[in-house]
Amino acid sequence: GNSVTQMEGPVTLSEEAFLTINCTYTATGYPSLFWYVQYPGEGLQLLLKATKADDKGSNKGFEATYRKETTSFHLEKGSVQVSDSAVYFCALFKNTGNQFYFGTGTSLTVIP
Amino acid sequence: EAQVTQNPRYLITVTGKKLTVTCSQNMNHEYMSWYRQDPGLGLRQIYYSMNVEVTDKGDVPEGYKVSRKEKRNFPLILESPSPNQTSLYFCASSSIGPGANVLTFGAGSRLTVL
Repeated sequence: GNSVTQMEGPVTLSEEAFLTINCTYTATGYPSLFWYVQYPGEGLQLLLKATKADDKGSNKGFEATYRKETTSFHLEKGSVQVSDSAVYFCALFKNTGNQFYFGTGTSLTVIP
Repeated sequence: EAQVTQNPRYLITVTGKKLTVTCSQNMNHEYMSWYRQDPGLGLRQIYYSMNVEVTDKGDVPEGYKVSRKEKRNFPLILESPSPNQTSLYFCASSSIGPGANVLTFGAGSRLTVL
């Protein structure tokens, strides 16, 4: 079946550190891949997306590349800020079945 | 402003007392969906709808009902709530089609069942 696996948290980093949050998926065909971010007390909002292999999604300094060969979509940021503290969800969407599948979320805390 | 609105935001109720969480979107989206968020389990889909009068079960539909009589509304109904339905609930919507399928989420409804 379809599923998303992302690295366990919580993750704590110092400001300006490099961030990687790993995400791998299981799905047939070519799903669309997403990263959503949830700030404290809020709903999820789209951070970035990629719809086909080798696409790179980017937003607010975050990047992720759709790697079909390794079924991965790792999230990276070169220099995190305190304001990046949030929970990050990796997700996929398949047109067949019309369902979104989410990972369990990774909590990130950035300390000054 | 394009948004998904859920109500109530917070609710404490007792076992067996029927309740409805409303969800409304103003973006003319075809796709609407309900999720519950629990610690360590992430988001799990309860029900989704592709359009008016079309609903399907997600991964955890037991104990819930939905309806889609109008395109903008997608209420979640708990006929007889139980404590294991204590959770944070999110409604979301999306347009459908190539390059679309980006979910817009509501702010969440925190439900406690005693």
